Amino acid sequence: DTAVSQTPKYLVTQMGNDKSIKCEQNLGHDTMYWYKQDSKKFLKIMFSYNNKELIINETVPNRFSPKSPDKAHLNLHINSLELGDSAVYFCASSQPWEGDTQYFGPGTRLTVL
Amino acid sequence: SQQGEEDPQALSIQEGENATMNCSYKTSINNLQWYRQNSGRGLVHLILIRSNEREKHSGRLRVTLDTSKKSSSLLITASRAADTASYFCATVGGSNYKLTFGKGTLLTVNP
Repeated sequence: DTAVSQTPKYLVTQMGNDKSIKCEQNLGHDTMYWYKQDSKKFLKIMFSYNNKELIINETVPNRFSPKSPDKAHLNLHINSLELGDSAVYFCASSQPWEGDTQYFGPGTRLTVL
Repeated sequence: SQQGEEDPQALSIQEGENATMNCSYKTSINNLQWYRQNSGRGLVHLILIRSNEREKHSGRLRVTLDTSKKSSSLLITASRAADTASYFCATVGGSNYKLTFGKGTLLTVNP
C-alpha cells in the first residue's frame, strides 16, 4: 500500500500550457506539503496545508495554485508553464506528534519544452 | 534562505568503511532530521534528533547534534553498496512544521 502517491510520475509539456499534479496520502495525516527539487537537487518547500487550510506559502509565483479538497489530497495546478518550472515536484505529509517527520511521495518530473 | 549545509557535497568510499556527513545550520531549531534519497526516488526519513538531545542511534546510523556549534553529523557504519544515495539534513524551527533542507551529500559506496 502506497503511503503518499503522486500522479503523474512524468509530465512533459509545452511552454504556456496549464497542468496539474495530484497527491494523495492514506496515512491519516493532517498536514501536506509541496516541494520543488531543482536540477542541483536543492529541495525547497512551496506550500503546506493543515486540515485543508493553507499554512505555509513560500515565495512562489501565483501561477502555482494548490488545492486541498480534503485532508488526504493536495493538488498543485500550474498555469502558463515556463522553462524554469522544469523540476521534480514532491508531495509530502506529516503529523505534528511524530516530530514533524515527513513522508514523501515518489515525485513528479515536470519537463517544460 | 537555505538553512542546512551539508559537507562534503560528495563522498566515495569502499563497502565496509564508515561514512560521515556533516550538516551546519544557521538559526535555532526544534529538531534536525536526516533523509535519504535514492536516485529518481522520493526522500525517506532516517532519523530525527531533538534540540535537547546530543546523540541518537538507529541500526547502523549514529547522529550527533551540537546546538552550540549549530551542527550535526550522520555516521553510517559498515557501509553497503545499497547505502549509495543522496543524504539530506533538514531542520525544523518554529511552529509551522516547516522543514528546511540542505543541499545534500551524494554518497557512493563501491562494492
